[in-house]
Amino acid sequence: GAVVSQHPSRVICKSGTSVKIECRSLDFQATTMFWYRQFPKQSLMLMATSNEGSKATYEQGVEKDKFLINHASLTLSTLTVTSAHPEDSSFYICSVGQFEDTQYFGPGTRLTVL
Amino acid sequence: DAKTTQPNSMESNEEEPVHLPCNHSTISGTDYIHWYRQLPSQGPEYVIHGLTSNVNNRMASLAIAEDRKSSTLILHRATLRDAAVYYCILRDNNQGGKLIFGQGTELSVKP
Repeated sequence: GAVVSQHPSRVICKSGTSVKIECRSLDFQATTMFWYRQFPKQSLMLMATSNEGSKATYEQGVEKDKFLINHASLTLSTLTVTSAHPEDSSFYICSVGQFEDTQYFGPGTRLTVL
Repeated sequence: DAKTTQPNSMESNEEEPVHLPCNHSTISGTDYIHWYRQLPSQGPEYVIHGLTSNVNNRMASLAIAEDRKSSTLILHRATLRDAAVYYCILRDNNQGGKLIFGQGTELSVKP
């Protein structure tokens, strides 16, 4: 299956700063990537679908100006949490779809906003 | 999106089979049944998927009811490494293939 990496694996930042999370598809050219977030003891919530070369599609209730997604190449999508606040502290996970069948997930990025 | 219903938690003994049920009574004809699992502090991992027929792979088997309103993930011999949250998800490839996760079943395996 596809190998997906995320960077950083863990980040701690001060309230009001912006944080960029990278998602890389290491062995598969991904026209579509997905971004999820997961709060402790909860399930994954789909935030947005990242499309290479075009604007991301956000799920209802997700602020597109707060969570900026850029998918500039077939192997890289980035999620920027702008003006992060403590309530944005979460586990952020990306995934890559392959052959319209399975999705392969990255290891996740744990964001802590102080 | 069609929804699935799973028990919140299940317990199993090591080296015994585990049957994880999933109800999806509102499934449509184009929905595939997918199973993923998530170990603590990791991204989910694909387990298996199917449409109508039962499926087997090296990780598990998927038994799908004839009316497709329920399915069962079967782990033939549970190991301690199988302790995870198992998610049963309906995926419509006509809607961009996105996955909508439910609450899943937390499986614990006792030695």
